[in-house]
Amino acid sequence: QVQLVESGGGVVQPGRSLRLSCATSGFTFSKYGMHWVRQAPGKGLEWVAVISNDGSNKHHEDPVKGRFTISRDNSKNTLYLQMDSLRPEDTAVYYCAKDTGGPLAFWGQGTLVTVSS
Amino acid sequence: IVVTQSPGTLSVSPGERATLSCRVSQDVGGNLAWYQQKPGQAPRLLIYGASTRATDIPARFSGSGSGSEFTLTISSLQSEDFAVYFCHQYNNWPLYTFGQGTKVEIK
Repeated sequence: QVQLVESGGGVVQPGRSLRLSCATSGFTFSKYGMHWVRQAPGKGLEWVAVISNDGSNKHHEDPVKGRFTISRDNSKNTLYLQMDSLRPEDTAVYYCAKDTGGPLAFWGQGTLVTVSS
Repeated sequence: IVVTQSPGTLSVSPGERATLSCRVSQDVGGNLAWYQQKPGQAPRLLIYGASTRATDIPARFSGSGSGSEFTLTISSLQSEDFAVYFCHQYNNWPLYTFGQGTKVEIK
């Protein structure tokens, strides 16, 4: 079965960096694009970034452009989100999700990032 | 594309019907999904293609609409249905947009 397991969250000071990982299993990772979606405490879902199956195409939402970078390692079946210049408003649970060209049927359990001094 | 859900909170008694609305700022055809989220859990896909139930989703959940106006109906609320519901447009793939959510609470 499809499994997505995020890791790398934690408490970090504003301006610092953090890298999230999403380890996958149960499907052929190299055939699918992948997304990051975040959810601030008590708020709604916010799409963050997407990467194509081979890593050649990437899109990031405007609030994180230039600060966050999505990437992947198909040899390790793992998705990444490098987050630099973190701000308090980046505090959220970050989910990875498998792309199907449409709805997001498979999500990880999420990893919490807290940006605070 | 902006996605707006209403109401923000819906108070419903068990066994009653719940009707949730989702409005999109432009025509997305049938490219809309609904998710259920319970505290501490990831979202769970309920409906895609505006009206198709996802795998193992009970028949009391139904979706309707097209273009820019969509509805999720829960025909007879069960205790496990009290949760937050999000709609999601994927017409502008891969640049997705979600609604802000509707909380369905016990009346």
